[in-house]
Amino acid sequence: DAGVTQSPTHLIKTRGQHVTLRCSPISGHKSVSWYQQVLGQGPQFIFQYYEKEERGRGNFPDRFSARQFPNYSSELNVNALLLGDSALYLCANRVALNTEAFFGQGTRLTVV
Amino acid sequence: EDQVTQSPEALRLQEGESSSLNCSYTVSGLRGLFWYRQDPGKGPEFLFTLYSAGEEKEKERLKATLTKKESFLHITAPKPEDSATYLCAVQAREGYQKVTFGTGTKLQVIP
Repeated sequence: DAGVTQSPTHLIKTRGQHVTLRCSPISGHKSVSWYQQVLGQGPQFIFQYYEKEERGRGNFPDRFSARQFPNYSSELNVNALLLGDSALYLCANRVALNTEAFFGQGTRLTVV
Repeated sequence: EDQVTQSPEALRLQEGESSSLNCSYTVSGLRGLFWYRQDPGKGPEFLFTLYSAGEEKEKERLKATLTKKESFLHITAPKPEDSATYLCAVQAREGYQKVTFGTGTKLQVIP
């Protein structure tokens, strides 16, 4: 059974641009969360979706948005990129909202 | 606000030298405490979930324990392949959508 897959694995963008990151879930896992991990820090919670509805949002600006599709895959969108948005973006799946999360390998975003 | 503090920040062990990593937490009603292992440039790999004080879980050379204020990850006779960053995270009963992570302990096991 395939794990959580994220695409692309690496991405370089220029300040002010927009980026879309994608996540394909483990089969049967309906909950998707997004995290930002800056080098040397732990992951910071951005969003959680369950059954295509937003169920939680972390302390991130409105430039960050996400959605979940009927097949439970998800996209994270970031507008007006800043240098400080450079980080590893992680997608995590859960079977249910209160169970452990399984992470993808992440997308390394570099903003120049 | 939920908080997780991990210590030490970095730990260097000789192969076979057992030790413990600490995770102190404050949360308004714990739903679950999680331990993850993370290799450089990769996503965290799930290790354990602990739900209540006194609970213990084991996997190979790793054993996780939980009290009302902290959790320990005990590493017995570590091998070089155990080198990684170990992350602790908590999930509260209220606002359980969010999981709060610590900054991790970077473990290096020297042959």
